[in-house]
Formats: sequence, structure tokens, C-alpha cells
Amino acid sequence: GIQVEQSPPDLILQEGANSTLRCNFSDSVNNLQWFHQNPWGQLINLFYIPSGTKQNGRLSATTVATERYSLLYISSSQTTDSGVYFCAVPNTGGFKTIFGAGTRLFVKA
Amino acid sequence: GAGVSQSPSNKVTEKGKDVELRCDPISGHTALYWYRQSLGQGLEFLIYFQGNSAPDKSGLPSDRFSAERTGGSVSTLTIQRTQQEDSAVYLCASTSEYEQYFGPGTRLTVT
Repeated sequence: GIQVEQSPPDLILQEGANSTLRCNFSDSVNNLQWFHQNPWGQLINLFYIPSGTKQNGRLSATTVATERYSLLYISSSQTTDSGVYFCAVPNTGGFKTIFGAGTRLFVKA
Repeated sequence: GAGVSQSPSNKVTEKGKDVELRCDPISGHTALYWYRQSLGQGLEFLIYFQGNSAPDKSGLPSDRFSAERTGGSVSTLTIQRTQQEDSAVYLCASTSEYEQYFGPGTRLTVT
């Protein structure tokens, strides 16, 4: 099945800093989502982005489907951005969703 | 409307007991997923329902796990003869075409 790798696994930022999180996947996909899991465990949709670029406030995401990666940009980070960021794609030929292991972000005040 | 809801939010059970976890998806969403998340880990796919099609059960870890979705809406995940390794957060998501929306999860602790 498809493999999903996220990097970095852990990231510590000073409030106000910018960061880029990466998601690599091993096969073609027609669906990719980024999620933020807050410290209370709730998973929140950030982007549905099978290709192209989207922006939502301080966050933006770009997926280059032909090169099998997606990037999540966080600008002017805030302490509330802390948590784990996951990307998720459908398994090859099916509906089973494969999540990456996540990037754990901590933003210091 | 309301988001995905799950109940109970927390469940503590003794090893060997059966448990039922419930998921109420967003109204109108035809697809529903169950996942398991162990402490500090990523999400592990368990089962997928789409409309009246046969569910994709390929992620269920053993035959002690089963799930059903009645009337294309509410879903229950049942774990029989619980084991300590079943302790985890069980998450449900419903899908609008492609985007998955998650409930708050049920934290299961098997003692």
C-alpha cells in the first residue's frame, strides 16, 4: 500500500516564527488532507488539497501531485498552533485512509 | 449543522468485558470511518462504510472487533472480550465527498 512520511517529526518554534511541514507519499493520489490535532485530541480539518495551493489565514498548503509531496506553511506561529499536524491520503485503489506519523509542533511564548 | 458526535467520551472497562462505542455522523454524510489512536501515535484505520455498499473491514485488528452502521447513519463499534492492548482513543469521521470530519473520540481504558 501507499506509504506516507512526514517531516520533521518534532518542531519547536518561538512565537512569531514561520515553518514548513512536509508530507511525502509513495504513489499517486487524488485526495490529500492536512489536519491539526490540538492538545485536547480534537482533529481539525485544515486543508483538502489534492493539488495546487490554498491559503487560510496564516496557514497555506501546496501539493505537487506529480512529485508526490505536500507542504504546509505556518506563518507568524502562535502558541495555539501547538499540537500534531497530520497529512492523510487514500490507499492505492481503495478508500482506506493512510495517515502519516505526524509532526509534533510546540510553539513557545 | 452539528458536527460528528461520539459517546461515551470516556470508557473504563475490565479486561474481558465487551464494549460498544457510538458515532453519530454529520447529517447527510454518506461515508463513515473508524480509527484507533494509541497514546502518542498516529491514526490506525479500522473500518469504512459507504452508503449501502459492503464495508471495508480491512483494518480491524482481530475478530473481536466489529462495527455496524444502521440506516446509513449512526454507527457502533463493538469490541468483545477487551484486552489491555485495546486501550486507545477511538475516533470516528464522516465524509462529505472527500473531506473527513472527526468526532471528539472515545477514550477507552481496559484495566
